Amino acid sequence: AQSVTQPDIHITVSEGASLELRCNYSYGATPYLFWYVQSPGQGLQLLLKYFSGDTLVQGIKGFEAEFKRSQSSFNLRKPSVHWSDAAEYFCAVGGYNKLIFGAGTRLAVHP
Amino acid sequence: SAVISQKPSRDICQRGTSLTIQCQVDSQVTMMFWYRQQPGQSLTLIATANQGSEATYESGFVIDKFPISRPNLTFSTLTVSNMSPEDSSIYLCSARNSRIPNEKLFFGSGTQLSVL
Repeated sequence: AQSVTQPDIHITVSEGASLELRCNYSYGATPYLFWYVQSPGQGLQLLLKYFSGDTLVQGIKGFEAEFKRSQSSFNLRKPSVHWSDAAEYFCAVGGYNKLIFGAGTRLAVHP
Repeated sequence: SAVISQKPSRDICQRGTSLTIQCQVDSQVTMMFWYRQQPGQSLTLIATANQGSEATYESGFVIDKFPISRPNLTFSTLTVSNMSPEDSSIYLCSARNSRIPNEKLFFGSGTQLSVL
């Protein structure tokens, strides 16, 4: 079955600290992988995506993610978190159209 | 890129009534979709809105409950019919232009629905 697991429901970090949000997936074929961010009252914004090629993907707002096929993971990272990064983050897997989303990780940033 | 406008942005409705949510895209897109995000949960695809024909529904969603229209390439509506408190969710419209290689999926800001 196709699924996405985000093990951490809530994460709190201090501003300036590094961040890693975990994502594991189960998918029958080579997946397309995505990270979206949702701020309160906003829609979803695509941070980055992986289709093929280099397994380290750079996204917007200083985020990056690494695809590890052997671990079925696509973890999101940022070296230094800003207060404006506080939001909910969703990992998704699938094709261009039908995406399966993880449950989300809510990020809080302490000043 | 595409900008997606949804309205209403939020609504509070009585049980048994219906609400129609509108989704307008600022450019012609080939694909439009409707997702639901229940409280504290992730997004689930309801259906693909097909232009000029019946929508394609995912397992667990039916046309009688969630009728969808898509009269042209830039507009779609989702109706939540005969609402119950279990329908309280955020409903999101999304779209992409499959004619553009690797074009991403864009999302609207969502409609927050509360059913009393």
